[in-house]
Amino acid sequence: GPKVLQIPSHQIIDMGQMVTLNCDPVSNHLYFYWYKQILGQQMEFLVNFYNGKVMEKSKLFKDQFSVERPDGSYFTLKIQPTALEDSAVYFCASSFGQGWNTEVFFGKGTRLTVV
Amino acid sequence: GEKVEQHESTLSVREGDSAVINCTYTDTASSYFPWYKQEAGKSLHFVIDIRSNVDRKQSQRLIVLLDKKAKRFSLHITATQPEDSAIYFCAASSNTNKVVFGTGTRLQVLP
Repeated sequence: GPKVLQIPSHQIIDMGQMVTLNCDPVSNHLYFYWYKQILGQQMEFLVNFYNGKVMEKSKLFKDQFSVERPDGSYFTLKIQPTALEDSAVYFCASSFGQGWNTEVFFGKGTRLTVV
Repeated sequence: GEKVEQHESTLSVREGDSAVINCTYTDTASSYFPWYKQEAGKSLHFVIDIRSNVDRKQSQRLIVLLDKKAKRFSLHITATQPEDSAIYFCAASSNTNKVVFGTGTRLQVLP
């Protein structure tokens, strides 16, 4: 079935450094999402992105976070600077449509460890 | 905004028995209710969904029920097997595309 690929699967970064998480969404999908899951806890919505713009973001999407998808390439989540509390698994997702057509496909996640 | 509550944080059943996981939601505009399974250390894996134009859907051993009036939906796993052991997340979504997840139910199928 359709796959969302996330690169890398695990990243360790020093606090204060910048990190970029990459996501290769399903090829014909138009809506893109990032979710955050702290170990053993709930999946929390961060942001959704459509037509080159952030549509909605949550309180977890701090000013240090940004997303983009330049020229239809990877959909990226950048954190600059990173903080210890950013350690989590970040899941990228994509969907073709919204509402009635919203079947959301998730990647396997990138485990980010900030030390 | 939408809130999804998942009532059972853990659930243990004997192999072969049925398991039921219950969720409620708050936003009457929610129209799509997917369920995901997460095995230890792995990503979310879509298992089944239901849309608001029906109140029941079955796929093999999985049945989802939706009660729009009560804003309640549930996942029934019949004839459980050890490989059903995982964390199950319910979710709800409306036209805004934002999928809001429940807190997860850890299902353990005992031999």
